[in-house]
Amino acid sequence: GNSVTQMEGPVTLSEEAFLTINCTYTATGYPSLFWYVQYPGEGLQLLLKATKADDKGSNKGFEATYRKETTSFHLEKGSVQVSDSAVYFCALSPLNSGYSTLTFGKGTMLLVSP
Amino acid sequence: DAGVIQSPRHEVTEMGQEVTLRCKPISGHDYLFWYRQTMMRGLELLIYFNNNVPIDDSGMPEDRFSAKMPNASFSTLKIQPSEPRDSAVYFCASSLFKSGAEAFFGQGTRLTVV
Repeated sequence: GNSVTQMEGPVTLSEEAFLTINCTYTATGYPSLFWYVQYPGEGLQLLLKATKADDKGSNKGFEATYRKETTSFHLEKGSVQVSDSAVYFCALSPLNSGYSTLTFGKGTMLLVSP
Repeated sequence: DAGVIQSPRHEVTEMGQEVTLRCKPISGHDYLFWYRQTMMRGLELLIYFNNNVPIDDSGMPEDRFSAKMPNASFSTLKIQPSEPRDSAVYFCASSLFKSGAEAFFGQGTRLTVV
């Protein structure tokens, strides 16, 4: 079946530090990959996505590259801000002709201190 | 569009009572999902609908849980009778029926069963 594995948190960084949150997946075929962010007290919202191998998704300074050979979709940001403190979820959606659902990782909490 | 709308935002109820959570998906979306989020289990898919038809309810934890989608703009998740272990944040999400489509989440209902 499909699965997503994320690094466990919390990840604690100082402002302006470099961020990497690892994500690997297991799926048949070539799924679409997503990063969602959940700020405290809110629902999940899409941060970025990539739909095919070697695609790079980017948004708000975050980026992730779809690596088929390593089945990975690691999230990176060059300089984090306190406002980036949130829980980040990696997810996949299988590409098929049938019904499509998202499979989520367990989430990684990011805490950024001033 | 106002996005996915859930009500109530917070619900506190006594064990044994019936609880009904409500969701209005984004207009035009074909899929509707109900998720439950807890610290222990993370984000769990409970059930999803396509064009108002329940497709997979294998995530529904027990017969005490039921979900309906009487029309394209409304869905309910009911717990009867409620138990303290049902305390969680329940999210509704909707999406379009196409490969790589993102899911849009509501802000969630925080349920506390005492």
